[in-house]
Amino acid sequence: QLQLQESGPGLVKPSETLSLTCTVSGGSISSSDYYWGWIRQSPGRGLELIGSVSDRGSTYYNPSLKSRLTVSVDTSKNQFSLRLSSVTAADTAVYYCARHGSMTLNWFDPWGQGTRVTVSS
Amino acid sequence: IVMTQSPATLSVSPGERATLSCRASQSVRTTLAWYQHQPGQAPRLLIYGVSTRATGVPARFSGSGSGTEFTLTISSLQSEDSAVYYCQQYHDWPTFGGGTKVEIK
Repeated sequence: QLQLQESGPGLVKPSETLSLTCTVSGGSISSSDYYWGWIRQSPGRGLELIGSVSDRGSTYYNPSLKSRLTVSVDTSKNQFSLRLSSVTAADTAVYYCARHGSMTLNWFDPWGQGTRVTVSS
Repeated sequence: IVMTQSPATLSVSPGERATLSCRASQSVRTTLAWYQHQPGQAPRLLIYGVSTRATGVPARFSGSGSGTEFTLTISSLQSEDSAVYYCQQYHDWPTFGGGTKVEIK
């Protein structure tokens, strides 16, 4: 059974970089022909797809975040990661990682439990 | 594409039918999914492609619609169905609705 687990700091200072990692267990990221995504949820913005990456490193980024965003994959560790620079309070949210349903940006299944990130000094 | 869900909250007695609506700001054809999110748990895929149930989803959950109007129906509400339900389109950059909270009356 495929499982995803987010990890990373729960508190980030304004203007710094938010870094999160999603560890995949119960299956391999490599040669899986899926895209893997980061989604966040905040009271003001609801659920929002941040960006997605394939096992080969191809990426799709939310245009509103593209200038600050890097999503990458490490198949040797069965992980993919998110880096969001120059964060502000507006980046405070619960961050989820999830797998897309196939090799396109479609539905998400399964999801991780989510990790809460607060941007505050 | 903006997804709008209604109502915001739905209170239904056990055994009754719950009908949740989702509207897209432009046609998404049949590229529509539904999720269930219970507190403290990972969101769960219920339906994709408007009406295809995900693995392990009970038959009391069904989806319908096309274009801009979609419906998730829970035919006989169980206590464990208390959750927030989200629709999501993937015709374009994936976007989500604001959710409908289903409460057990």
